[in-house]
Amino acid sequence: NAGVMQNPRHLVRRRGQEARLRCSPMKGHSHVYWYRQLPEEGLKFMVYLQKENIIDESGMPKERFSAEFPKEGPSILRIQQVVRGDSAAYFCASSPSSSGTSRTYEQYFGPGTRLTVT
Amino acid sequence: DAKTTQPTSMDCAEGRAANLPCNHSTISGNEYVYWYRQIHSQGPQYIIHGLKNNETNEMASLIITEDRKSSTLILPHATLRDTAVYYCIVSPRSGAGSYQLTFGKGTKLSVIP
Repeated sequence: NAGVMQNPRHLVRRRGQEARLRCSPMKGHSHVYWYRQLPEEGLKFMVYLQKENIIDESGMPKERFSAEFPKEGPSILRIQQVVRGDSAAYFCASSPSSSGTSRTYEQYFGPGTRLTVT
Repeated sequence: DAKTTQPTSMDCAEGRAANLPCNHSTISGNEYVYWYRQIHSQGPQYIIHGLKNNETNEMASLIITEDRKSSTLILPHATLRDTAVYYCIVSPRSGAGSYQLTFGKGTKLSVIP
């Protein structure tokens, strides 16, 4: 009965490199959400995905950031050409696939990936 | 355009009830009140949510005023492990924005031995 898993837990990248963050949702969950938490700030929504579909990416920066949730495998948040301002904790959450019930919108969060750009 | 207002910090003695208030005076009819907490450096943890009736689960109780403009999260017997930042979030039940949890600054609860 594993929870949401994220890896790596810590990631260090130099400016200009690419960062790939992985998220495996809870078993039976097909909805995935990514949030970013800058130092001393609250979490900010980035993107909502279902299997093979991006439902809402309104919180995602227009450039350098992309996300996917393939039919098989984990969800990936990809940041190209990282800059110092990308240093943050990135959290993934998942929720059950059932709709029309109060449990639909309980989001279960992973431990986060802390990205440091040097 | 903060939807909720919470005190910045609170202290609570171990074993006593912790009562965390939240104002959401502009809440609309289809919006739920959610509570999450974030223990230092961990991912947020769902606690409870409600629409207009009081709710209770194994973690906490949620009291929502009749006019729904404010609510209180109650941890009946606070332990040191309850030290965390507590977020009160207002979110629509369905439709656009229902899955976008908006985390403000929250209340930093310190449980003191």
